[in-house]
Amino acid sequence: TQLLEQSPQFLSIQEGENLTVYCNSSSVFSSLQWYRQEPGEGPVLLVTVVTGGEVKKLKRLTFQFGDARKDSSLHITAAQPGDTGLYLCAGANSGYSTLTFGKGTMLLVSP
Amino acid sequence: DVKVTQSSRYLVKRTGEKVFLECVQDMDHENMFWYRQDPGLGLRLIYFSYDVKMKEKGDIPEGYSVSREKKERFSLILESASTNQTSMYLCASRLGGPPNYGYTFGSGTRLTVV
Repeated sequence: TQLLEQSPQFLSIQEGENLTVYCNSSSVFSSLQWYRQEPGEGPVLLVTVVTGGEVKKLKRLTFQFGDARKDSSLHITAAQPGDTGLYLCAGANSGYSTLTFGKGTMLLVSP
Repeated sequence: DVKVTQSSRYLVKRTGEKVFLECVQDMDHENMFWYRQDPGLGLRLIYFSYDVKMKEKGDIPEGYSVSREKKERFSLILESASTNQTSMYLCASRLGGPPNYGYTFGSGTRLTVV
């Protein structure tokens, strides 16, 4: 069984602060995906990282895939209230037909 | 804009009722999935389908069944609804092929069984 542990579970910050969310596993994944889910909606794909050590930027969001492809991080610079939501990481592996999801990090950004 | 549409945003059903949750995608995706999402438990896979008339059990299939008669439509059926099936149900689809392809999710159906 593959598991993805996300930390922290909850994060409450003020607008303008920086933050990092972590996604860790003892298993190797062929790729990691990050999703954001707003209250009352389904998750929306933000990014897929495929290569060990890969870094992708999406405006103020920076995603990194660990060198060993067992972990990933999401860094948000100067958080805004619109960043509020549940951030989910999900691992894909060619040996498995479905994604493995972490339980998520709930982020609340207050004005 | 590509879409996964779930037929109901909110449903209230009585214990013992047979419940149908419908999901339609307009992206010609081969793979479709049903998850339930509960606080503290995350997303749990109920069933998925690779193609028309194909289905595979996920992690928690007990009490559920599915139907995929057309490529664009994947239905989740609660044979006899129970209160422990109160949850947010999410449908998703993706292209067939490498598992790296991302999922497109619907907006969810919040089901309450009373």
